Amino acid sequence: KQEVTQIPAALSVPEGENLVLNCSFTDSAIYNLQWFRQDPGKGLTSLLLIQSSQREQTSGRLNASLDKSSGRSTLYIAASQPGDSATYLCAVLNTNAGKSTFGDGTTLTVKP
Amino acid sequence: EPEVTQTPSHQVTQMGQEVILRCVPISNHLYFYWYRQILGQKVEFLVSFYNNEISEKSEIFDDQFSVERPDGSNFTLKIRSTKLEDSAMYFCASSLRIGLIYEQYFGPGTRLTVT
Repeated sequence: KQEVTQIPAALSVPEGENLVLNCSFTDSAIYNLQWFRQDPGKGLTSLLLIQSSQREQTSGRLNASLDKSSGRSTLYIAASQPGDSATYLCAVLNTNAGKSTFGDGTTLTVKP
Repeated sequence: EPEVTQTPSHQVTQMGQEVILRCVPISNHLYFYWYRQILGQKVEFLVSFYNNEISEKSEIFDDQFSVERPDGSNFTLKIRSTKLEDSAMYFCASSLRIGLIYEQYFGPGTRLTVT
């Protein structure tokens, strides 16, 4: 059974800092991994998707890496802004029926 | 940009009542999902649906739950007899499948409160 863990659970940084969020998963037989952003009381916004054959994926100030063999992914956020404050979720897809297993999330606060 | 929509945004119901949560997936997507998130907990998979049948379901998705695609655009989740522990945010998602890639797009959610 796939287990997904995210550390840290919460992170508070001053504006402008670069930061790294971590995601680990127990079953490396994955199809892809998605990073999402969730604002309080809202839905999930897809940020990046990494295919199982890829090592990293970039979008703007975001860079996600994947090391399937060690069961780890990181989300790097460059030059953080207060608008980046949200909960970041990692989700691993590892069945051909499209089921994703989510981590608990990292709640990020960027202080002005 | 196409998006997944869900109605209602908030539903309050009494224990034992039936509820139907509605979703309109992105129009060219073929795979549909329901997830739920109990307050303060992880997002949990409930069910996936493809080609008018359930592809996979979790242990949560028992006989009280059912899904349907009644027409070409809607995708519904029915809970037959709601319990207090069904109170949660319910998210609908849809995706294409390109090779082995499913990029899932989520709706804004329906907050279900069972009293």
